[in-house]
Order: sequence, then C-alpha cells, then structure tokens
Amino acid sequence: DTGVSQDPRHKITKRGQNVTFRCDPISEHNRLYWYRQTLGQGPEFLTYFQNEAQLEKSRLLSDRFSAERPKGSFSTLEIQRTEQGDSAMYLCASSYGTPHLSPLHFGNGTRLTVT
Amino acid sequence: GNSVTQMEGPVTLSEEAFLTINCTYTATGYPSLFWYVQYPGEGLQLLLKATKADDKGSNKGFEATYRKETTSFHLEKGSVQVSDSAVYFCALSDDGSEKLVFGKGTKLTVNP
Repeated sequence: DTGVSQDPRHKITKRGQNVTFRCDPISEHNRLYWYRQTLGQGPEFLTYFQNEAQLEKSRLLSDRFSAERPKGSFSTLEIQRTEQGDSAMYLCASSYGTPHLSPLHFGNGTRLTVT
Repeated sequence: GNSVTQMEGPVTLSEEAFLTINCTYTATGYPSLFWYVQYPGEGLQLLLKATKADDKGSNKGFEATYRKETTSFHLEKGSVQVSDSAVYFCALSDDGSEKLVFGKGTKLTVNP
C-alpha cells in the first residue's frame, strides 16, 4: 500500500492557462474522489468515479473543469482558462466502498496558484 | 442542504490536558458522522466514525458520540499528547451518498 499520490505537488500558472493534475489511487480501490480546499475551509466535494464511470459532479465543477479516469486506474483533473478563484488545494482520495463503510484515503494534494 | 459547523480554532493545550472539539451538523436524512485528522505533511485520514444515533466512535484514545437530539458529534480525548497536534475535521455523509461534507477544521497544538 503506497498510498494515494498526486502530481504535481505545486503548480503556479498564469490566468487563462490550462492545467492538468494527476492522481494515482491505491491500486485495489475502485472509488476515486476529487475535493477542493481553500484557505481556512474544509475540503469541498467536486466529483467521484466508480471504476472508470464518473457518477457524480458537484455544481462547483464548472464547464472549465473536466475529470477523467481511463481504465479505472489513475485520474486526471483539467482546468481550462484558469481564473484566480481557482487557486486552492486540490485533493484526491480513494476507497473500496462507500464512505459509510470504507475510509477515504487522501493524497497530499496539488496546490494551485493562479497569478 | 447538509452542513457541518466546528468550533473555531486554533486550540492550544498542554500535554495531558483534556480535549473537546465541538461539532454540530444539519442534515436532511440520517447521516453517518466522521472525524478526519490531518497530521503535518500528511493527507487526511479517518480517525473515527459513527453511523447511527447513540453510536460511539473511538480510536487512539479519541471518542465521539452521535447525538441525534442535539445534532452533535463532539470529539474528546482525556489526555492529549504532543503527537496529537494536527488539524481535525468533522464530516458527514448522507445515507446512500458518496459525498462527504466537511467542517472548516480545527487546528490543535499540544505543547510539552
């Protein structure tokens, strides 16, 4: 169990640029989640995959955001035409069951700064 | 909608002091309740949970009881250690939902 890994750890980009983050979940976990955390706030749910299917998306996930999980393994989160309001920590988590039954394992996150 | 309210931090205690971090919730259904903890330099991890009213979750000396009548899930520990210094998040998940709703977090610092 190597844990959930996220890449990169930090990303600084200029407003209007596109960015992509990667998450590698724990290998036997079929569920993968993306959360966003801003300073002084708790994580906020963005989207969730079960295997390769994206089953739920938050209203926070505007049209500029897209997430994929090809083949049900790693996932990518892309933000197009970044805005300063996108600056946040983006957290990935994985589990093998619903939150009621199985703990979420979080990565250390990707910190995005939009200048 | 569902929400979680935690006591404001930061909280600073001396080693062996008693800890309480208050958490109250608003939910439309019958949620499960959780405490997640984030140690410095690490990702969030589950500390304890309770899935129905009057359940008590416990782990590493921490306890929290699901109180439906007061919609609360307060975290307690009788004697904190320096190694308990971390940020603690209260969270809920509605029955059947994959989504966790988190509070803002409470930073705890324990001094020797």
